[in-house]
Amino acid sequence: QLQLQESGPGLVKPSETLSLTCTVSGGSISSSSYYWGWIRQPPGKGLEWIGSIYYSGSTYYNPSLKSRVTISVDTSKNQFSLKLSSVTAADTAVYYCARHGNIVVVPAAIFDYWGQGTLVTVSS
Amino acid sequence: QSVLTQPPSASGTPGQRVTISCSGSSSNIGSNYVYWYQQLPGTAPKLLIYSNNQRPSGVPDRFSGSKSGTSASLAISGLRSEDEADYYCAAWDDSLSGLVVFGGGTKLTVL
Repeated sequence: QLQLQESGPGLVKPSETLSLTCTVSGGSISSSSYYWGWIRQPPGKGLEWIGSIYYSGSTYYNPSLKSRVTISVDTSKNQFSLKLSSVTAADTAVYYCARHGNIVVVPAAIFDYWGQGTLVTVSS
Repeated sequence: QSVLTQPPSASGTPGQRVTISCSGSSSNIGSNYVYWYQQLPGTAPKLLIYSNNQRPSGVPDRFSGSKSGTSASLAISGLRSEDEADYYCAAWDDSLSGLVVFGGGTKLTVL
C-alpha cells in the first residue's frame, strides 16, 4: 500500500522560507506513470494546488505561486520537497503531498494517494 | 475566488438523493476530465470520482459523477450520515502553461 508522509517545521517566520519533505513508501517515486504534487488548504478554506514534479525533475507550478515555489525530487531517498519563499500569514495552511497522474500523458487533476497533511503556521 | 464554482452548502435527509454542481469554463471542465474529492472532518481529501464518472475501487456505487459542457455534477443516492463531509471538484485547466484548479468546496450536511 502506497503511503506518503509530510515532514518539516510547523512554524515559520514571516519573510522566511517554508520547507517540507514528502517521503513515499510502499512504491517507487521513479514510476513513469506519475507526478508527485503539493496541495495546501488554509484553515477553514478550500484546496489549492501548488505544483507537481516528475522523477526526472520536470515540474509544473501554479502560476499564482510560481515566483516563490521550488519543488525538487530525491529519487535515492524516495522523497520530494517543497520550498516556498517569502512567506506571509496568508501561507498558513495544511500542506498535503499526493501522487498525481502523469500530466504529460493526460493532463488531469487526479490525486489518488494523499499524505495526512501537516499544518504550517506563519507567525513571528 | 475559485476557478470552479460550487455551492457552499448542500443538505439532505438519510436515504435522499442529493446533487452537487460544479461550473467551469472551456479551458477546464469543457476540455478536460472532472474529478471529485471527499474530505471528512479532520482528514485528507479522498478521490471519489475520476475521469468524470469513474469510481475508484472501494467507492460505493451510491456516488456518481456526470459532465455536460462546462459543468459537472456529483450525485449521492441513499444518503447516509457518514456522507457528511466537504466535497471538491477539480480539473486540469489549459490556460497559461496548465494548472490544476479546484472548486471552493461544498459542505454536505445530513439532517
